[in-house]
Amino acid sequence: DTEVTQTPKHLVMGMTNKKSLKCEQHMGHRAMYWYKQKAKKPPELMFVYSYEKLSINESVPSRFSPECPNSSLLNLHLHALQPEDSALYLCASSRGFGGAGETQYFGPGTRLLVL
Amino acid sequence: TQLLEQSPQFLSIQEGENLTVYCNSSSVFSSLQWYRQEPGEGPVLLVTVVTGGEVKKLKRLTFQFGDARKDSSLHITAAQPGDTGLYLCAAFGNEKLTFGTGTRLTIIP
Repeated sequence: DTEVTQTPKHLVMGMTNKKSLKCEQHMGHRAMYWYKQKAKKPPELMFVYSYEKLSINESVPSRFSPECPNSSLLNLHLHALQPEDSALYLCASSRGFGGAGETQYFGPGTRLLVL
Repeated sequence: TQLLEQSPQFLSIQEGENLTVYCNSSSVFSSLQWYRQEPGEGPVLLVTVVTGGEVKKLKRLTFQFGDARKDSSLHITAAQPGDTGLYLCAAFGNEKLTFGTGTRLTIIP
């Protein structure tokens, strides 16, 4: 099983809403990632968790709050987002973290629209 | 911050034609990866190249890593509509994967 699943697939939220994105993998991977991808742009790294600990935060605004409850799950909590936060949010996982050439497996993404 | 420039940014060609996509940087990389992303999906890894001058083939796709490990190319022979997608090169640096600017490829039947 090389699948990373993400829910929901689509999400529309207002600027005052609180919502969460979920990501799950059962490959035994110990590194998990959140990326943001704007239209017609490449993915940009937001957060990295390694062994359930936050290893990298790419200066992401605090209205995005990641959480890694266990080695299989990764959440992204959203609060007071802005319309410019509308994007495709991709989750990925890899066996380890930091190794050049490490394969990252991506989920299908959650397409978020902030009104 | 590494900058990976891809060219062309957009490419639209007829089925059966050949094409080459380039990924260039001023930085030296220990390895470089190529991904394809289809609409509504996440990127899928196609190949990892690690040795300068290395050439890898994946069916009709040929990947080359430059001798100086600063650039790479992807050549597709006899393109098919199923090759349509966003092609991304990516490289590791500072413990993270940085993606190139992307090439959006459309194959016209």
